[in-house]
Amino acid sequence: DGGITQSPKYLFRKEGQNVTLSCEQNLNHDAMYWYRQDPGQGLRLIYYSQIVNDFQKGDIAEGYSVSREKKESFPLTVTSAQKNPTAFYLCASSIGGSGPDTQYFGPGTRLTVL
Amino acid sequence: AQKITQTQPGMFVQEKEAVTLDCTYDTSDPSYGLFWYKQPSSGEMIFLIYQGSYDQQNATEGRYSLNFQKARKSANLVISASQLGDSAMYFCAMRAYNFNKFYFGSGTKLNVKP
Repeated sequence: DGGITQSPKYLFRKEGQNVTLSCEQNLNHDAMYWYRQDPGQGLRLIYYSQIVNDFQKGDIAEGYSVSREKKESFPLTVTSAQKNPTAFYLCASSIGGSGPDTQYFGPGTRLTVL
Repeated sequence: AQKITQTQPGMFVQEKEAVTLDCTYDTSDPSYGLFWYKQPSSGEMIFLIYQGSYDQQNATEGRYSLNFQKARKSANLVISASQLGDSAMYFCAMRAYNFNKFYFGSGTKLNVKP
C-alpha cells in the first residue's frame, strides 16, 4: 500500500539533545513538507522540499534542519537551538510542481522534551 | 499573499443533521486549489475533498460537499447526516498553482451530539 510513514509515534528526549524524526513515502511524490502543530492550534510550516537535494525554509525554520538525499525520505532534526520543541510533528507529501496538487499526511510524531 | 480564514473555533451538531463549516480565502492567483482535511483525536490529517478554482461544479465526496462561491472567495464544507465519528478538527487549506506552499486555516472543532 502506498503511503507516508513517520517514526517513532512518540518520542521523548532530554533538553539540549538533538533528535531526528523520520518521514518516508512510497507515493513517488516529488514534494515533501514538515509541519509543527501545538495543542489546539493549526499547522505551521517548518521546511519543504520540491526535489531531491533541495529544500526551503518555511515560516518557523529556526532550530530545525532537514535533508533530502533521497526522493522517498525527508528527515527532520530538532536541534537544541529550538527553544520549545515539545509539539506534534506532521510530515506530508504531494506530487509537486505547478498545477493541481493534493497534500497527503503521515500519522505524525509527538515529541516531548523533558 | 495567500490567506485562509476559519471563523468558527467550535461547533455542535446533532447526530444525523447536516452542518456547514465556514472557510474564506484570499489570493490574487487565478489558479488555485482548495482542500478540506479532518483531524481526529489521533492526530492524523485525513484528506476529505478538493475543489479547483476552474471547476464549474461543487465537489462532492460521499457525505462531504464543498460549497464553492468564487466571487465571495468562500469554500464551505457541508457534512450531511452527521455521525458521531465526524467529531474532529477540520482544516481548510489552499494552494495557488504557481506556488509550492499550502496554506491552512486555524481549524474548526466539530462535536456531534447523540
